[in-house]
Amino acid sequence: EPEVTQTPSHQVTQMGQEVILRCVPISNHLYFYWYRQILGQKVEFLVSFYNNEISEKSEIFDDQFSVERPDGSNFTLKIRSTKLEDSAMYFCASRVTYNSPLHFGNGTRLTVT
Amino acid sequence: GQQLNQSPQSMFIQEGEDVSMNCTSSSIFNTWLWYKQDPGEGPVLLIALYKAGELTSNGRLTAQFGITRKDSFLNISASIPSDVGIYFCAGLRAGNMLTFGGGTRLMVKP
Repeated sequence: EPEVTQTPSHQVTQMGQEVILRCVPISNHLYFYWYRQILGQKVEFLVSFYNNEISEKSEIFDDQFSVERPDGSNFTLKIRSTKLEDSAMYFCASRVTYNSPLHFGNGTRLTVT
Repeated sequence: GQQLNQSPQSMFIQEGEDVSMNCTSSSIFNTWLWYKQDPGEGPVLLIALYKAGELTSNGRLTAQFGITRKDSFLNISASIPSDVGIYFCAGLRAGNMLTFGGGTRLMVKP
């Protein structure tokens, strides 16, 4: 069964550094998402992306975050200048249509030191 | 913002028992989804509900979309050790944002 894949599985970075988290959504999916989960807390929406542009974003998704679909298969989340509180699991998700369920990747654990 | 209240927060049950958990909200949702998350992994979709009143089963799992569209429940019958994990409800309204509940941590005693 096709799945969403994310790399790396774990990223350690120093505060102030830039990180890029990578995702390959399911190939026929058209809607892409980033969510994050701080340890022990619930999954929180960051941003949705459709037709090569951001369609919705939360208040968490401030100017330090950006997303890009650089080619036909990858979907990336960039954090420009990481802060300690950015440490979390970051999940990519995708879906076929506007109303179909989201399918999640296994996440990237980001640790900012 | 939209809030989903999921209960219970945790459950510690005996193998073979049935489990019930639910989510409620003050907002109406068009779609309810139930996910399970194992440690170190992403949420895995269990059941999707699209219509008010809909009752859907997936093996030992049964979920319902409440008539008011403001709630949903998930039942697991005859629990087994591999049911251990965190179960999340999630609701979708018009727009792209999926809102998650706080999760129910299920622990099963053999």
